[in-house]
Amino acid sequence: SQELEQSPQSLIVQEGKNLTINCTSSKTLYGLYWYKQKYGEGLIFLMMLQKGGEEKSHEKITAKLDEKKQQSSLHITASQPSHAGIYLCGADQGEAGNNRKLIWGLGTSLAVNP
Amino acid sequence: DADVTQTPRNRITKTGKRIMLECSQTKGHDRMYWYRQDPGLGLRLIYYSFDVKDINKGEISDGYSVSRQAQAKFSLSLESAIPNQTALYFCATSDPGTGTTEAFFGQGTRLTVV
Repeated sequence: SQELEQSPQSLIVQEGKNLTINCTSSKTLYGLYWYKQKYGEGLIFLMMLQKGGEEKSHEKITAKLDEKKQQSSLHITASQPSHAGIYLCGADQGEAGNNRKLIWGLGTSLAVNP
Repeated sequence: DADVTQTPRNRITKTGKRIMLECSQTKGHDRMYWYRQDPGLGLRLIYYSFDVKDINKGEISDGYSVSRQAQAKFSLSLESAIPNQTALYFCATSDPGTGTTEAFFGQGTRLTVV
């Protein structure tokens, strides 16, 4: 089973609507990263969350980290066509020593209809 | 100029051919990674290198090899390409000195094996 579950897998919303994407870890989180990928292109860093309860915003995108639930949510307010793409969460599950690597969710594909 | 550059951006090759994907970075990071991305399977780690003398297999290394020619260069080779290696390949770097595992990605190489 996937160590990092993203939901939903895909989402279609009308322009102007709000939406939320969730990322849930099966293990303790030491850091959670959100990236956006335009279809077939590279990954663009959005935000990094490291502390329980931390919340960050960038333009109309807000991400929160709930340490107890081992979950992060990404919320987009008043969505626009430019928000379309694949949103990926990556988690630092704090492997011992210098072996820390990110693991990845499968991504959430977002389409925004004008 | 991009901090992490992958070449080529697109490549079509025939089954059985040897192919090399190259990655160079100007970020000065010791850690470099090769991922492949497939629809429904997310990002999967092929190989990673924590410094020039350190090479490690990721979760799907069979059929691939890597070379870390310098701190700034990490190349991925497919010795004898097969169609199920058709995918989008990403190179990434990270800097443990930041205390995080934030990854910086190249633009990706779309490889098609026919």
